[in-house]
Amino acid sequence: QVQLQQSGAELAKPGSSVKISCKASGYTFTSYYISWIKQTTGQGLEYIGYINTGSGGTNYNEKFKGKATLTVDKSSSTAFMQLSSLTPDDSAVYYCARAGWFAYWGQGTLVTVSS
Amino acid sequence: DIQMTQSPSVLSASVGDRVTLNCKASQNINKYLNWYQQKLGEAPKLLIYNTNNLQTGIPSRFSGSGSGTDYTLTISSLQPEDVATYFCFQHNSWPLTFGSGTKLEIK
Repeated sequence: QVQLQQSGAELAKPGSSVKISCKASGYTFTSYYISWIKQTTGQGLEYIGYINTGSGGTNYNEKFKGKATLTVDKSSSTAFMQLSSLTPDDSAVYYCARAGWFAYWGQGTLVTVSS
Repeated sequence: DIQMTQSPSVLSASVGDRVTLNCKASQNINKYLNWYQQKLGEAPKLLIYNTNNLQTGIPSRFSGSGSGTDYTLTISSLQPEDVATYFCFQHNSWPLTFGSGTKLEIK
């Protein structure tokens, strides 16, 4: 069965970076793009962007350009999202989701930015 | 960006009721509209994709309809396990956008 397993919660200081992983299983990794989504209580769900898992090509929501960097390791069927120059506004649950019909989501990774 | 407006923001209904949730896009999204259910502490779960296609394993009491800018999720007979927040999501135009959700409660 299709599964997306995300890395664990992160506690980070303002100004630092974190890198979240999303390991896929149960399907051919390079057949589907991976998308990333941010969820906060205040802003709701926001679409960050996607990565072409075959070519590594990316497309970012303008709002997240410079904040998020998406990469992929085909050898381990894992997608990554690095968030840089963290501020408290980056505190959120981040999800990866498989493109197609966006049916499959990871369990979410909580990122807390606090000094 | 396409704005997705969901109504109502909170809906309280009784078990067995027919429930209708609405989602209005700020422009035509050509039926590229998904509905998700999210329970507390869980990831969103796909219920309906592309307006009216029931995702595998989802009970048939859930259905979707709509076109253009106006879309609806209907629960034909509300069950206690349907308590959740429901989100719509358009994947027609960049950037993809979500509605702000309808919180469904049991009376």
